[in-house]
Amino acid sequence: ETGVTQSPTHLIKTRGQQVTLRCSSQSGHNTVSWYQQALGQGPQFIFQYYREEENGRGNFPPRFSGLQFPNYSSELNVNALELDDSALYLCASSSPGGSYNEQFFGPGTRLTVL
Amino acid sequence: KQEVTQIPAALSVPEGENLVLNCSFTDSAIYNLQWFRQDPGKGLTSLLLIQSSQREQTSGRLNASLDKSSGRSTLYIAASQPGDSATYLCAVRPGDSNYQLIWGAGTKLIIKP
Repeated sequence: ETGVTQSPTHLIKTRGQQVTLRCSSQSGHNTVSWYQQALGQGPQFIFQYYREEENGRGNFPPRFSGLQFPNYSSELNVNALELDDSALYLCASSSPGGSYNEQFFGPGTRLTVL
Repeated sequence: KQEVTQIPAALSVPEGENLVLNCSFTDSAIYNLQWFRQDPGKGLTSLLLIQSSQREQTSGRLNASLDKSSGRSTLYIAASQPGDSATYLCAVRPGDSNYQLIWGAGTKLIIKP
């Protein structure tokens, strides 16, 4: 069974640029959630995708957008990068109704905005 | 609005000691609570998940308890080892949400050899 994978591992961008982060869900999981974790803080929920539709969204501006593909992999896109977007971006997959809705996390993508 | 707090923010204990990490939440209407471990610069590893109808869960040297009425959960680590050094985070799934987790800021644990 393959776990959750994310790419790239690290990324450096400059303010104003755009970035795309990728996530492959664990085998058999059809739901993907994205979180932002600033240094020294707990993760903050960005949004969740279920069967290719956005299923819920946290308090993040529209320049944070996402996609889910038929194979349940997902992308997080951030436009007009700001310095405060520097963080660890975590992806989690789960299967609604299965295994108590437990979320399984990938290793994260460390984004640095200069 | 659900808020999750973890105290202390950091803890350092000698190897071999038993220890307790605390997590409190403001709204008792939760679906479940999950404890995670995070190593420096890494992702999150799920340790234990407790459903709202359960009082505790155990895995090896770890035991997590849940008291919904008081808004508290504890993670008990027995016979601590240097390899247990990490940041431990708790997260709750609100009862009115089927998608997001609300997180504490974590407790950074250091086990001294």
